[in-house]
Amino acid sequence: IAGITQAPTSQILAAGRRMTLRCTQDMRHNAMYWYRQDLGLGLRLIHYSNTAGTTGKGEVPDGYSVSRANTDDFPLTLASAVPSQTSVYFCASSESTGQGLTEAFFGQGTRLTVV
Amino acid sequence: KNQVEQSPQSLIILEGKNCTLQCNYTVSPFSNLRWYKQDTGRGPVSLTIMTFSENTKSNGRYTATLDADTKQSSLHITASQLSDSASYICVVRSGGSYIPTFGRGTSLIVHP
Repeated sequence: IAGITQAPTSQILAAGRRMTLRCTQDMRHNAMYWYRQDLGLGLRLIHYSNTAGTTGKGEVPDGYSVSRANTDDFPLTLASAVPSQTSVYFCASSESTGQGLTEAFFGQGTRLTVV
Repeated sequence: KNQVEQSPQSLIILEGKNCTLQCNYTVSPFSNLRWYKQDTGRGPVSLTIMTFSENTKSNGRYTATLDADTKQSSLHITASQLSDSASYICVVRSGGSYIPTFGRGTSLIVHP
């Protein structure tokens, strides 16, 4: 199935626990992104990766880390979850981050609740 | 600071009616503007992209306009259907920036 797959779909997590959100794409896109979406705030960029082996910080990177060991996978890790990280997380990919004419394709989202 | 403002925040219309959503931006230099549709519980999906030289672009019942001088875009939906109920997000990318600027979206509800 072509596209982006996120896992898990939803998760309830105790504060202080470590959690990794998984994201896999099979479109061979160079660029990948992690966003969080909160009511009234829209989508905000957490981290991005222009190509395998490189990552960059977005608008709200604190408390999150990412890695890009290969083209297809871009996991997002919360080292020690806090309630303010309760949100819906979207992974996206695009052919490149360059000129920006390429479309970003989004996964179905991961709903995370930190209690 | 690059900003994208969308209005209205929410909108309720009857099935079959038309509506127009607005997007104002301060992103500079401008590269392109996309409208995304996000159904409840799903990720956003691109509807259309507008570049500097384009004034109008249609995608079925969706028509986007762009005025690069006033830095405004609109998304017009004709003969609305129940399936048009969604959030519509305006995203603007500046030349040379890796990070696009997202609007907060307009929530559209179409009632039968």
